[in-house]
Amino acid sequence: DAGVTQSPTHLIKTRGQQVTLRCSPKSGHDTVSWYQQALGQGPQFIFQYYEEEERQRGNFPDRFSGHQFPNYSSELNVNALLLGDSALYLCASSLGSETGELFFGEGSRLTVL
Amino acid sequence: AQTVTQSQPEMSVQEAETVTLSCTYDTSESDYYLFWYKQPPSRQMILVIRQEAYKQQNATENRFSVNFQKAAKSFSLKISDSQLGDAAMYFCAYRRGNAGNNRKLIWGLGTSLGVNP
Repeated sequence: DAGVTQSPTHLIKTRGQQVTLRCSPKSGHDTVSWYQQALGQGPQFIFQYYEEEERQRGNFPDRFSGHQFPNYSSELNVNALLLGDSALYLCASSLGSETGELFFGEGSRLTVL
Repeated sequence: AQTVTQSQPEMSVQEAETVTLSCTYDTSESDYYLFWYKQPPSRQMILVIRQEAYKQQNATENRFSVNFQKAAKSFSLKISDSQLGDAAMYFCAYRRGNAGNNRKLIWGLGTSLGVNP
């Protein structure tokens, strides 16, 4: 049973570019959440998708956008990259109940130069 | 707004000994969940233990147990018989219960745990 998979694992971009990160949830899960983890910090909630809609959003600018596909996989897009966007981006999946445990992927490490 | 505070940036323990990691939180909610996650160098967050606020009994998972003090808003993690594989970042996290559209986890800054052989 595959867990949460994320791609790419590492990538380097320059300021102003755009990036797309991908996440496949654990089998049977229908909810995907994205978190940004800056170096030495705890994760910060970006947004959560359920039934292909954004259910909740954290305090991130509109440069951060997402999508969930009918197979429950998800993408995180960041436009007009800034140096401060350099971070580990974590995807977590769950079954859409109130108490659904979050399962995390290994993250995508983004470096913006 | 809810906050989670971990006041110990780094800790170390001798193999086979016991160590306690501290976490305090602030909330006006009465229904919530608390979690401890482990993040090894592989970066994947792994759930260690979770506690429902309405449960008075402290949660335990093998060598891991918590001391949940609801009135004091304290949620410490005790690791018994520490093993080399326990070395990792440990994060305390909070989530509202009856979350409705507010399902996000709020995280502390983490505690880096080293285990000495």
